Amino acid sequence: EAGVAQSPRYKIIEKRQSVAFWCNPISGHATLYWYQQILGQGPKLLIQFQNNGVVDDSQLPKDRFSAERLKGVDSTLKIQPAKLEDSAVYLCASSLPLGAGRTGELFFGEGSRLTVL
Amino acid sequence: AQKITQTQPGMFVQEKEAVTLDCTYDTSDPSYGLFWYKQPSSGEMIFLIYQGSYDQQNATEGRYSLNFQKARKSANLVISASQLGDSAMYFCAMREGRWGAQKLVFGQGTRLTINP
Repeated sequence: EAGVAQSPRYKIIEKRQSVAFWCNPISGHATLYWYQQILGQGPKLLIQFQNNGVVDDSQLPKDRFSAERLKGVDSTLKIQPAKLEDSAVYLCASSLPLGAGRTGELFFGEGSRLTVL
Repeated sequence: AQKITQTQPGMFVQEKEAVTLDCTYDTSDPSYGLFWYKQPSSGEMIFLIYQGSYDQQNATEGRYSLNFQKARKSANLVISASQLGDSAMYFCAMREGRWGAQKLVFGQGTRLTINP
């Protein structure tokens, strides 16, 4: 079974530029998450999708961050314009719903490391 | 308020010793789940072990066990016979939300270093 795919792995941009990250979840996983992990901290949820609908985007800085999940499969996270404090690893994860003995475990991609100069 | 608290920023342990990583949580929901993930320097998040709030026994997975003390709201990870490859960041996380809307809230992590 293929895991969660993310690209690019690394991106370096100047502040005020834009950047986009792509994620393809595990096949059949209806729920998709974008987490931001700043160096030395735990992951923080930015946005959660159930199929192609947004479940939780309460911590997404909507003035500069946007995300979409067209057709309920892959997803794109965009930052425009980027700030220095956006330097972080952006982790995409997917999961199956709870129930039928499932725990709600999140399966993570390798992450996209963003450096804003 | 922090929902997941990991009070040990760093731990140093000799190879082959056992190590306990602390985690306390805060929730008023009677149904929740607790997870531990390992994050090596390469960056991927590796699932280690899970404990459900209604589980009667402590979870175990190979060298990993979870010391679940529900009344104290603690879910400490115990690694027996530590190995050099165990050096990594370790995150405790709590599942919140109901079917279709569940998410994980993470602690700040503990950096574990195994010395030869």
